[in-house]
Amino acid sequence: QTVVTQEPSFSVSPGGTVTLTCGLGSGSVSTSYYPSWYRQTPGQAPRTLIYTTNTRFSGVPDRFSGSILGNKAALTITGAQADDESDYYCVLYMSSGIGVFGGGTKLTVL
Amino acid sequence: EVQLVESGGGLVQPGGSLRLSCAASGFTFSSHWMSWVRQAPGKGLEWVATIKQDGSEKYYVDSVKGRFTISRDNAKNSLSLQMSNLRAEDTAVYYCARAPGVGATMALGFDYWGQGTLVTLSS
Repeated sequence: QTVVTQEPSFSVSPGGTVTLTCGLGSGSVSTSYYPSWYRQTPGQAPRTLIYTTNTRFSGVPDRFSGSILGNKAALTITGAQADDESDYYCVLYMSSGIGVFGGGTKLTVL
Repeated sequence: EVQLVESGGGLVQPGGSLRLSCAASGFTFSSHWMSWVRQAPGKGLEWVATIKQDGSEKYYVDSVKGRFTISRDNAKNSLSLQMSNLRAEDTAVYYCARAPGVGATMALGFDYWGQGTLVTLSS
């Protein structure tokens, strides 16, 4: 069973920069895993931020960017705003044909 | 405008069956991989099943293999998930989601999501 790891929680100051990561329990994440990122607030459906490592979804501000940092996928948020408070999930595509979500990161802006 | 509208959720007994549907509009349905993603109460997201544009390839998470069947009707712009032998751990909101990329060779994540339909297992 593949395990995808994310920080359970993170906090950032308004206007600050934060980088959330998405790793593998065993191994390194590369672009071959086509990492994607989503955000979700309580009671709402997920919303897409980034797919295929660094492609920003339509309408997503360029404050959000995706990359590979070291052996993990990363989502960087610059100029953090209060309404960036959310749960953030990554997905890694597996050779089995289906992807695996990380456990999510609860981001607090304070 | 892309829209995905799920239906079919409800209360079902363990061991029972349920069929979820997703009505798609605003895009060429037959050009995209489609998937079901679920979220148990208070838990994270889980990619459940995915299907290729023409239905020729289907993939499932291990926990639902042999119990769930994903299908699509491109003529009706509709995605379905037939769930049988349901278990308590299948209780979740089920989301229909579209994969990005027209004619993509793999379901590389999601771009558009529906609002979800709740499936509750209870005896």
